Amino acid sequence: GESVGLHLPTLSVQEGDNSIINCAYSNSASDYFIWYKQESGKGPQFIIDIRSNMDKRQGQRVTVLLNKTVKHLSLQIAATQPGDSAVYFCAEKKGGYQKVTFGTGTKLQVIP
Amino acid sequence: NAGVMQNPRHLVRRRGQEARLRCSPMKGHSHVYWYRQLPEEGLKFMVYLQKENIIDESGMPKERFSAEFPKEGPSILRIQQVVRGDSAAYFCASSSDISGNTIYFGEGSWLTVV
Repeated sequence: GESVGLHLPTLSVQEGDNSIINCAYSNSASDYFIWYKQESGKGPQFIIDIRSNMDKRQGQRVTVLLNKTVKHLSLQIAATQPGDSAVYFCAEKKGGYQKVTFGTGTKLQVIP
Repeated sequence: NAGVMQNPRHLVRRRGQEARLRCSPMKGHSHVYWYRQLPEEGLKFMVYLQKENIIDESGMPKERFSAEFPKEGPSILRIQQVVRGDSAAYFCASSSDISGNTIYFGEGSWLTVV
């Protein structure tokens, strides 16, 4: 069946360093891959997405890389800040509407 | 996620009672999605609605759960005869059109069944 999974449940990063959060997926039919950030007690917040026909997309301090050969997705956060501490979910979307499938999540801890 | 309003934020129900969770989408949005999140897990899709129509309810449990999005008023997720396993965070999201690539989540409703 289809699944979106994450390699590491927890990632600790020194403030100012770059963070890399990884995600594996198994469904090749997805149209978009999306990264969400969820802070404790809050709803998921959209960070960035990437269309399935792209390899890389950059936003403000974030970059998403998509490797379709190995079905791997990553989120890179430059100059990680304490405010980046949260759980990060990768998700995939296929079809004409926003029915996304979420992975379990990676908790990012930023060490001051 | 600004603009999607959910209430109540926290709800405690005894086993066998009913829980009603409300969601008002962002202004101008006519598409609503409900997700459930168990502790330490990702969000699981439950149902997708447009005004007065259920489009996809493939993630809804077959019994006790129902959802509606009337022409006027908020979307309602209703859980009848709650059990302890229903304890979770329920998130609502909305989008402006069927092909919108960004959906906006509310802050969630935390249901605790005692």
